[in-house]
Amino acid sequence: QKEVEQDPGPLSVPEGAIVSLNCTYSNSAFQYFMWYRQYSRKGPELLMYTYSSGNKEDGRFTAQVDKSSKYISLFIRDSQPSDSATYLCAMMSSGNTGKLIFGQGTTLQVKP
Amino acid sequence: DTAVSQTPKYLVTQMGNDKSIKCEQNLGHDTMYWYKQDSKKFLKIMFSYNNKELIINETVPNRFSPKSPDKAHLNLHINSLELGDSAVYFCASSYLSQETQYFGPGTRLLVL
Repeated sequence: QKEVEQDPGPLSVPEGAIVSLNCTYSNSAFQYFMWYRQYSRKGPELLMYTYSSGNKEDGRFTAQVDKSSKYISLFIRDSQPSDSATYLCAMMSSGNTGKLIFGQGTTLQVKP
Repeated sequence: DTAVSQTPKYLVTQMGNDKSIKCEQNLGHDTMYWYKQDSKKFLKIMFSYNNKELIINETVPNRFSPKSPDKAHLNLHINSLELGDSAVYFCASSYLSQETQYFGPGTRLLVL
């Protein structure tokens, strides 16, 4: 079993839809939770970062962490065609010297 | 003014050859990483260096040898290339081995 599980999709939605992306994990030591966005043939770029449990909002993006369920989510409101990309969740334990554990990534397509 | 740069972008080579990939960051970070992304977009850490010292060394064949001449540069040398080495290799950097890592554009390696 992988430490981090993420449905690879693909996920196709119409423009303006609310998108929900999710990851589950097994390692209770994870304290840092990130979402990276990766456009085709580009490097991943950090989108959202959350420490421990709770919600974080940044514009149209909301990240949620539920440590009791070992479940994290990324919500995208009013999705745009420019949001079409692969979204990777990543996690790290505290004091773990930068070792990020990634999910497989979910490919999202937002159709105009 | 590229933050994390890699050369070359593409690398096509024959099995058994030796090749190197170079990475440079101008963000002033002290930690650099190498990741491998397979054909299913699964991203896995290989190595990390902090101030030229090897910090993370995942289960990677000995044919892979990272070298950090200074904290702004991290190179990856691969000996005796195999078909299974075909992947996209990403360099990343951060402060103090932290979770917020900045990725380069990737080097697409194809071994024939």
